[in-house]
Amino acid sequence: GENVEQHPSTLSVQEGDSAVIKCTYSDSASNYFPWYKQELGKRPQLIIDIRSNVGEKKDQRIAVTLNKTAKHFSLHITETQPEDSAVYFCAASIAGANSKLTFGKGITLSVRP
Amino acid sequence: DSGVTQTPKHLITATGQRVTLRCSPRSGDLSVYWYQQSLDQGLQFLIQYYNGEERAKGNILERFSAQQFPDLHSELNLSSLELGDSALYFCASSLGTPGTGELFFGEGSRLTVL
Repeated sequence: GENVEQHPSTLSVQEGDSAVIKCTYSDSASNYFPWYKQELGKRPQLIIDIRSNVGEKKDQRIAVTLNKTAKHFSLHITETQPEDSAVYFCAASIAGANSKLTFGKGITLSVRP
Repeated sequence: DSGVTQTPKHLITATGQRVTLRCSPRSGDLSVYWYQQSLDQGLQFLIQYYNGEERAKGNILERFSAQQFPDLHSELNLSSLELGDSALYFCASSLGTPGTGELFFGEGSRLTVL
């Protein structure tokens, strides 16, 4: 089955700096890659996703890039703010009726004011 | 508010007991997913239903079972509970199947086994 790994497990940046969170996946058939943000004590929420037919996607201060050859994708957050502090989960799946969305273990991002 | 309702929010029980967690998906969503979140273990996929049918299964223990009812709500049954079953159990729903759109998570049911 699919295996999604995230590195590092924690990341600390200064407010205003950029943060990059990387994920690798194992199943080359995976074609859908979402990122979820979970604030302390809250539920995970989708912040951005990308499909395998696209190499990059942006939404204001966040962007995701996908390298299918290397089987890794990354979340880029620019001009980080304290409210960006949270756990970020990457995930992968094969779009289809019997597929499952496999999450990585999450990365804790801390933005220092 | 995601529109996904989970009950109970908190549950404390003893080892060997059985509990049922309930989930009501967003109106119109046909898929329901159950995930277990333990410390340092991320979101572990348990099981998925689509319109009443089981569609995918993860590393769900034999002591655990689930179903989706005709009104699309779902229940996760955990039996012969062990200390290690203490975790936050999330239900999520989506209109379609994975890869077709966003999963909307409920607030979770926190299970503590003493």
